[in-house]
Amino acid sequence: GAVVSQHPSRVICKSGTSVKIECRSLDFQATTMFWYRQFPKQSLMLMATSNEGSKATYEQGVEKDKFLINHASLTLSTLTVTSAHPEDSSFYICSVYPAGSYNEQFFGPGTRLTVL
Amino acid sequence: EDKVVQSPLSLVVHEGDTVTLNCSYEVTNFRSLLWYKQEKKAPTFLFMLTSSGIEKKSGRLSSILDKKELSSILNITATQTGDSAIYLCAAWASGNTGKLIFGQGTTLQVKP
Repeated sequence: GAVVSQHPSRVICKSGTSVKIECRSLDFQATTMFWYRQFPKQSLMLMATSNEGSKATYEQGVEKDKFLINHASLTLSTLTVTSAHPEDSSFYICSVYPAGSYNEQFFGPGTRLTVL
Repeated sequence: EDKVVQSPLSLVVHEGDTVTLNCSYEVTNFRSLLWYKQEKKAPTFLFMLTSSGIEKKSGRLSSILDKKELSSILNITATQTGDSAIYLCAAWASGNTGKLIFGQGTTLQVKP
């Protein structure tokens, strides 16, 4: 399977700061990447679909101005949580969807965000 | 609205027991159903089911899809403490965008 990395793996920040999370596809090019959020003891909730070279598609209820997604290259997508608040504390996971993979996704290891 | 529902939400068993986890879906343009195991980090892939009635097996784990009932089950036989995890099912919802709709997950705890 494909190798996907996320950086950082864990971040603690103060309320009001912005945090950038990177998702990299290490061994193939991905035109589509997905960002999920997972609260404790809950399932993965899709936040947005990141499309290389175009605007991200956000799920209903996800603020696009708060969760900025940039997919500038075929191997890198970034999620920036702007003006983070304690309720944004969560586990953020990206996944990549290789073109032609027939719906198999490969997940990154996740980023644990804690906002104080 | 597309949705995936899993049951039970949590389960506690003892080593050696057999468990059955359930997943039902209501998804427009359904293509496939996937099962994942999640321990401390990101989910790891278990099975992808596209055809109804064909069982997929991997060691002590097996899974089958019933398109008529819009459901799937994941069986784990002779459970071990290492099977303790959250088991997630997800439906591939539409077209070829790769978008997955996840269920709430079943938290399985296997006691020694």
